[in-house]
Amino acid sequence: KAGVTQTPRYLIKTRGQQVTLSCSPISGHRSVSWYQQTPGQGLQFLFEYFSETQRNKGNFPGRFSGRQFSNSRSEMNVSTLELGDSALYLCASIGGSNSGELFFGEGSRLTVL
Amino acid sequence: GQSLEQPSEVTAVEGAIVQINCTYQTSGFYGLSWYQQHDGGAPTFLSYNALDGLEETGRFSSFLSRSDSYGYLLLQELQMKDSASYFCAVNQAGTALIFGKGTTLSVSS
Repeated sequence: KAGVTQTPRYLIKTRGQQVTLSCSPISGHRSVSWYQQTPGQGLQFLFEYFSETQRNKGNFPGRFSGRQFSNSRSEMNVSTLELGDSALYLCASIGGSNSGELFFGEGSRLTVL
Repeated sequence: GQSLEQPSEVTAVEGAIVQINCTYQTSGFYGLSWYQQHDGGAPTFLSYNALDGLEETGRFSSFLSRSDSYGYLLLQELQMKDSASYFCAVNQAGTALIFGKGTTLSVSS
């Protein structure tokens, strides 16, 4: 079956703009998590959605938001972009079992100029 | 607060054995996962320990001691293709994982 699909794969924005990233989880997966990855900082947890509800949230400012639709697809939005928001944004879907296994997409690489 | 500590870099030669340690301090704990990420690629799942002990999957093994808040990933018979970043991650509350900063493993011939 198809894996996790993230769009767009690459994008360039300027400071002050906003961006929306999309994630389609594996078919049948109802939980989606988002992570920000920057060099030296590992993967930092942004938020997790399950059945259209935000279940957990990381320690990021309110400029970072997300949502999940009834078909489990998820979007995250970053408003008023800052240079420090340049990163790889990874989406992961979870099959439902508490096995610690996330299935990651290839990510959306955001560059803020 | 919550934290996961793992070495930033490890180097080894082909055929060797390497152990990547991870200590954690979190407010909740369901289990410890390990992920591998090659440059430019997505993280991929390697193993998960919910209970104390050793889990073996081919050349890779993972260990957990809940009482010591400690785990490790053991890679045997290293190959060049094992050069990658390795992340430990704590399953803290349900399915959300908190990741360490990663260990870059360089395997040379």
